[in-house]
Amino acid sequence: QVQVVQSGAEVKKPGASVKVSCKASGYTFTGYYMHWVRQAPGQGLEWMGWINPDSGGTNYAQKFQGRVTMTRDTSISTAYMELSRLRSDDTAVYYCARGFGSGHSGRVYFDYWGQGTLVTVSS
Amino acid sequence: QSALTQPASVSGSPGQSITISCTGTSSDVGGYNYVSWYQQHPGKAPKLMIYEVSNRPSGVSNRFSGSKSGNTASLTISGLQAEDEADYYCSSYTSSTTPVVFGGGTKLTVL
Repeated sequence: QVQVVQSGAEVKKPGASVKVSCKASGYTFTGYYMHWVRQAPGQGLEWMGWINPDSGGTNYAQKFQGRVTMTRDTSISTAYMELSRLRSDDTAVYYCARGFGSGHSGRVYFDYWGQGTLVTVSS
Repeated sequence: QSALTQPASVSGSPGQSITISCTGTSSDVGGYNYVSWYQQHPGKAPKLMIYEVSNRPSGVSNRFSGSKSGNTASLTISGLQAEDEADYYCSSYTSSTTPVVFGGGTKLTVL
C-alpha cells in the first residue's frame, strides 16, 4: 500500500535552516510529483511547491523563492524540503503529499499525504 | 489573506445537506476546471475528496459532490453524518506565478 512517512519534529532558532524528509513506499517513486504544503497553527493550508522525482525539476511558490529547496534521492525513494533563513512565522506543520495522477493533475491535486512534521522556530 | 474565499463556518443537522462555497477569479476557479476539495480532521493530514470540480477519488462517499458556476465552486455534502465534522479546503490551479492556491478553510459542525 502507498505510504508517505516524514521525519520527526524540529526546533530551530531564527535564521537557521531546516530539512524535512519524506520517504515514499508502495509505488514507483519517480512516477508521481511530490508536493510540500504547510499549515501554521490554527491556520489554513499553504502550497509551497513540487518536485518531479524523475527529472528533479521543481516549481516553487513565489512566496518561498530563494528560501526553499526541494530535492530527492531516488535510490531511497525520499524527497526533501529545506527552508532557510527561518522566521517565527515559519512555525508550522509541513506536509509532503503525492501528486494525484499523471500530467497536469499530478501537479495540482494531492492524494497520499505524510503525517506532517512540526517545525517550531523560536529563540 | 487566502486567494480563494470560503465561509469560515457552516453547520447542519444529521441527515441534512450543506453546501460550502469557494469564490475565486477568472484566473483560477473561473478559468480552469482544476478545482479540488480536501477534508481535514483535527490533528490529521488532509484527504482529497473532490478533484476536477466534480470527480470523486476511489473510496470517497457519493454523499460528497462538487460543482462550479462562474468564479465560484461548491462542495455539497448530503445526508450529513457526525464523521463529516471537519475542516474543508478548496484548492484551484491558477495562472499566476504560484500555480496552486487554497481557500482559507471552512469548519463544518454537525449539530
